[in-house]
Amino acid sequence: ETGVTQSPTHLIKTRGQQVTLRCSSQSGHNTVSWYQQALGQGPQFIFQYYREEENGRGNFPPRFSGLQFPNYSSELNVNALELDDSALYLCASSTQGAGEKLFFGSGTQLSVL
Amino acid sequence: KQEVTQIPAALSVPEGENLVLNCSFTDSAIYNLQWFRQDPGKGLTSLLLIQSSQREQTSGRLNASLDKSSGRSTLYIAASQPGDSATYLCAPVSGTYKYIFGTGTRLKVLA
Repeated sequence: ETGVTQSPTHLIKTRGQQVTLRCSSQSGHNTVSWYQQALGQGPQFIFQYYREEENGRGNFPPRFSGLQFPNYSSELNVNALELDDSALYLCASSTQGAGEKLFFGSGTQLSVL
Repeated sequence: KQEVTQIPAALSVPEGENLVLNCSFTDSAIYNLQWFRQDPGKGLTSLLLIQSSQREQTSGRLNASLDKSSGRSTLYIAASQPGDSATYLCAPVSGTYKYIFGTGTRLKVLA
């Protein structure tokens, strides 16, 4: 059984650029959630995808967008990067249902200069 | 809007002590609550999940309790070890399966 994998592990971008982060869900999981974690804070929910459709969104602007593919892997895209977007981006997979555990990847550390 | 508070924010204890970490949340209409551990710069590892109908869950030296009506959960760590040093996060889930995290308790266990 493979765990949740994220790529890349680290990324440096400049303000105004666009970035794509990738996540492969754990085997057997059909739901992917994305979180942003600023230094010293808890993770903040960005959105969740279930069967290739967005299934819930947190308080993030439209320049944060995502995709889920038929194999349940997912991408997070951020346009027009701002300095405050610098954070650890975490992907979590689960089976659909509120009673299911979240399994997290190791995250992508994004630095915006 | 769900708000989650974790107390204490940081804790430093000698090895072997029993610990209690506290989590409170404002909206008691939750499906479940999960406790996680996070090592610096890393992802989160699930420790325990308590369903809304349950009052506690145990795994090894860890025991988590849930009092939904009062909006509280506690994580009890028995006989702490240096390897337990990490940040511990609680997250109730409600609404569209959205987990809301506290800011965590940073634990340091001294050898």
